[in-house]
Amino acid sequence: EDQVTQSPEALRLQEGESSSLNCSYTVSGLRGLFWYRQDPGKGPEFLFTLYSAGEEKEKERLKATLTKKESFLHITAPKPEDSATYLCAVRLRGGSQGNLIFGKGTKLSVKP
Amino acid sequence: GAGVSQSPRYKVAKRGQDVALRCDPISGHVSLFWYQQALGQGPEFLTYFQNEAQLDKSGLPSDRFFAERPEGSVSTLKIQRTQQEDSAVYLCASSLGGAEKLFFGSGTQLSVL
Repeated sequence: EDQVTQSPEALRLQEGESSSLNCSYTVSGLRGLFWYRQDPGKGPEFLFTLYSAGEEKEKERLKATLTKKESFLHITAPKPEDSATYLCAVRLRGGSQGNLIFGKGTKLSVKP
Repeated sequence: GAGVSQSPRYKVAKRGQDVALRCDPISGHVSLFWYQQALGQGPEFLTYFQNEAQLDKSGLPSDRFFAERPEGSVSTLKIQRTQQEDSAVYLCASSLGGAEKLFFGSGTQLSVL
C-alpha cells in the first residue's frame, strides 16, 4: 500500500534553533514529492517540488532534500512566523494527475 | 480574483440534509481538485477536473458525493443525505495543469449534527 509518514508529529523549537522534518514514503513509483505549509484555518500553501534523489530546493530559511526513501525539510534559524503545519505529499508514477497522497503533517512551533 | 475562493466558509447541517459547497478557482486555471481534510489529518483526494471533464473521481467516498464543473470554471461539491462522518474541511485547489503546484482555497468547514 502506498504510504507517506511524517515525523515528528509535533516539534517545538526556540527561535534560531535549526532542525529537520522527515517525510518517508513507501510507494510503487514516485513521480514527484511536494512540501506544503498550512496555517490554522487556511488551505495548504505550496513550498517545493522534488523529482529525483539528490535534488535540493531552497527558499529563505527552508531547504528540501530528497533520497530514494525519504525527504527532509531543513529549517535554519527559524523565526516565530515559521510556525505552521508542514505537509508532505507524493504523486505516483502512473497515477492520476490530480491524486496526491498527503502525510499527516508536522506541527512546528517556534518560540521567541 | 487573486486566489481560490470557497463558500460558504462554515456550514452546519443536520444529519440527512443535502449540502452544496462552491469553489471559484483562479482565473485561467484549467485543473481543479477537491480534497477532504479531517481534523489532525492530511488532505485526502476526492476528485479532479480538467476544464469541465471530471478525469478522476476515485476518491469520492460514496455515491452520496457528487461534483461538477459544467463550464470549466466554478465547481460545486454536493453531498446528499449528510452523515456525521462527513464532518471535515473540504478544500478546493486549482492549477494551470496537473498537480505540480496546487493553489488551495481556505476550505469549507462542514459540521454534521
